[in-house]
Amino acid sequence: KAGVTQTPRYLIKTRGQQVTLSCSPISGHRSVSWYQQTPGQGLQFLFEYFSETQRNKGNFPGRFSGRQFSNSRSEMNVSTLELGDSALYLCASSLLAGAPNEQFFGPGTRLTVL
Amino acid sequence: AQSVAQPEDQVNVAEGNPLTVKCTYSVSGNPYLFWYVQYPNRGLQFLLKYITGDNLVKGSYGFEAEFNKSQTSFHLKKPSALVSDSALYFCAVSPRDTGGFKTIFGAGTRLFVKA
Repeated sequence: KAGVTQTPRYLIKTRGQQVTLSCSPISGHRSVSWYQQTPGQGLQFLFEYFSETQRNKGNFPGRFSGRQFSNSRSEMNVSTLELGDSALYLCASSLLAGAPNEQFFGPGTRLTVL
Repeated sequence: AQSVAQPEDQVNVAEGNPLTVKCTYSVSGNPYLFWYVQYPNRGLQFLLKYITGDNLVKGSYGFEAEFNKSQTSFHLKKPSALVSDSALYFCAVSPRDTGGFKTIFGAGTRLFVKA
């Protein structure tokens, strides 16, 4: 069974631009969560989607948004990029929504904002 | 504020020796507890979780973790370390009342196993 895939793996953008990241969960998984990983802040929860509905949201500004499609694939969008948005963005899928279901993580998309 | 603490940035251990990676948490209620491992240029991999019951949880690759409610700790252990265990380890906590993941991760502990 294929794992969680994220595209692209690497992105370089400039301040003010916007970016869209994509995540394809494991087949059959309906929950997709997004996390931001930085050396200073560690792993921080962005949001979780289940059956095309956002179930939970972390403490990030409105520039960060996401959506989930009927095939469970998810996209995350960041508008008006700032230097501080440079990070590894991880997507995780789960068969069902919420803990204690374990999450399966993708390799991440490394975003660099110049 | 809810938080997860991994007090050691790095743990060094010789191959064959036992290892412990520490985790304490400050989360209301009885949260679910997890350990994940991250290898270079890869996403996190699930190791084990505590939901309820026996305080000693066994997981993948010979790892186990001990839950201590009074100390709000969930330390990761392995009786005999391997060089291949060298990686970044994350403790994570999910409150039971959120209806979703909203997982809180610790800052991570880098484990270095020397041959």
